[in-house]
Amino acid sequence: KQEVTQIPAALSVPEGENLVLNCSFTDSAIYNLQWFRQDPGKGLTSLLLIQSSQREQTSGRLNASLDKSSGRSTLYIAASQPGDSATYLCAVLSSGGSYIPTFGRGTSLIVHP
Amino acid sequence: GAGVSQSPSNKVTEKGKDVELRCDPISGHTALYWYRQSLGQGLEFLIYFQGNSAPDKSGLPSDRFSAERTGGSVSTLTIQRTQQEDSAVYLCASSTQDRTEAFFGQGTRLTVV
Repeated sequence: KQEVTQIPAALSVPEGENLVLNCSFTDSAIYNLQWFRQDPGKGLTSLLLIQSSQREQTSGRLNASLDKSSGRSTLYIAASQPGDSATYLCAVLSSGGSYIPTFGRGTSLIVHP
Repeated sequence: GAGVSQSPSNKVTEKGKDVELRCDPISGHTALYWYRQSLGQGLEFLIYFQGNSAPDKSGLPSDRFSAERTGGSVSTLTIQRTQQEDSAVYLCASSTQDRTEAFFGQGTRLTVV
């Protein structure tokens, strides 16, 4: 059974810092990995999708990397802004027949001015 | 529609009543997922629909929970005889058949009093 862990659980930083959020998974046989953002009281917004054959994806100030062999993905946020404050979730879709993404518990990020 | 739509956005119900939550997936998406997010918890998988195949109901917590998907599009999650522990945000997501990016709705916040 796939298990997904996100570290740290919470992070508070001053504006302008570069950040790294971590996601680890126990079964390296994955189909894809997706990073989401969730604002309080809202649904999930997709940020980046990395297919199993890819090593990284970039969108603006966000960069996500994937290392299947070590069961890890990182989300890098450059030059953080207060508007980046949210919970960041990673979800892993395994390739072993289950079509159900498994989610981590998320990292709650606060960027203060 | 442009995105996944869920209704109602908020629902307050008395303990013991039945509730129905609705999800309209993105047009053309054959895969549909329901998740539950309790306060301070991660996303808990409930049920998965893919096209005309039998749904994967392995995540439903009890026989009070059921879901259907009519015409391969709209889905309804029904909770019978609601209990206080059913209070949570219920999230719906859809994706294409090739299991690429998953898109979430804004969720239904259910409060059982």
